[in-house]
Amino acid sequence: AQTVTQSQPEMSVQEAETVTLSCTYDTSESNYYLFWYKQPPSRQMILVIRQEAYKQQNATENRFSVNFQKAAKSFSLKISDSQLGDTAMYFCAFMIGGNKLVFGAGTILRVKS
Amino acid sequence: GAVVSQHPSWVICKSGTSVKIECRSLDFQATTMFWYRQFPKQSLMLMATSNEGSKATYEQGVEKDKFLINHASLTLSTLTVTSAHPEDSSFYICSAFHRVTSGHQETQYFGPGTRLLVL
Repeated sequence: AQTVTQSQPEMSVQEAETVTLSCTYDTSESNYYLFWYKQPPSRQMILVIRQEAYKQQNATENRFSVNFQKAAKSFSLKISDSQLGDTAMYFCAFMIGGNKLVFGAGTILRVKS
Repeated sequence: GAVVSQHPSWVICKSGTSVKIECRSLDFQATTMFWYRQFPKQSLMLMATSNEGSKATYEQGVEKDKFLINHASLTLSTLTVTSAHPEDSSFYICSAFHRVTSGHQETQYFGPGTRLLVL
C-alpha cells in the first residue's frame, strides 16, 4: 500500500524559531517525487518544496528545507525563522503513477508572536 | 510559476439543482487534471482524474453519474455536481499536472477551491 504518515496533528512554534514537521511514507516504487504543500486559512494549496527521490541532496527553498532519508522513507520539513504567515496546515505527499499524489493527514502549524 | 484558476469560488444552490465548477490552467497546458474534495481540517480526498480528450477515471466510492467531469481542452476541466443534495456540501479543489521535460520537473498545481453549500 502507498501511504503517507504525518504523526504530528498540531504543532506550535514561536516567531523566529525553527520547527520541524515529520513525514514518513511507504512505497515500493524506486522513482518518485516528494512534496510539501501548505494550506493557509484561505485554503489555497501552495507548493512549498519538492524533492526527487533519485537525488541525494536535500532540497531547500529560502527558509524551508527538507531532510530526505530514502532508506528510512522519511521526508521531514524544517522551517527556519518562522513567521506569522507560516501558520497553515502542511501536507506531505508523494507522486506515484507518473502524476497522482498521495497525501498525509496534515499537520496544523501555529506560529505565535 | 504555474497558475490554476477555479470558478466559482463560492456557490450556494438549492437541493436538486446542478452546479458546474471550472478549473483552468492559465499559463501551461495540462493533459491531466485532478478533482479533490476536502472536509474541514482533513486531508484532500481524490475524487477523479481528468484526462484531456478521454473519460475521467473515478476513485472507488465516487459516483460517476453524480460528479460529471469533462476535460474538453488542454487548459480546462469542469466538474458538474448533478442533482446536488446537502450532503454534497463541501470544499472542492482542482489541480493541474505540470510536466517540464527539462530537469524532470513534475508537479501538481492547485486551484483556489470552490465552497459549495447545498440548501
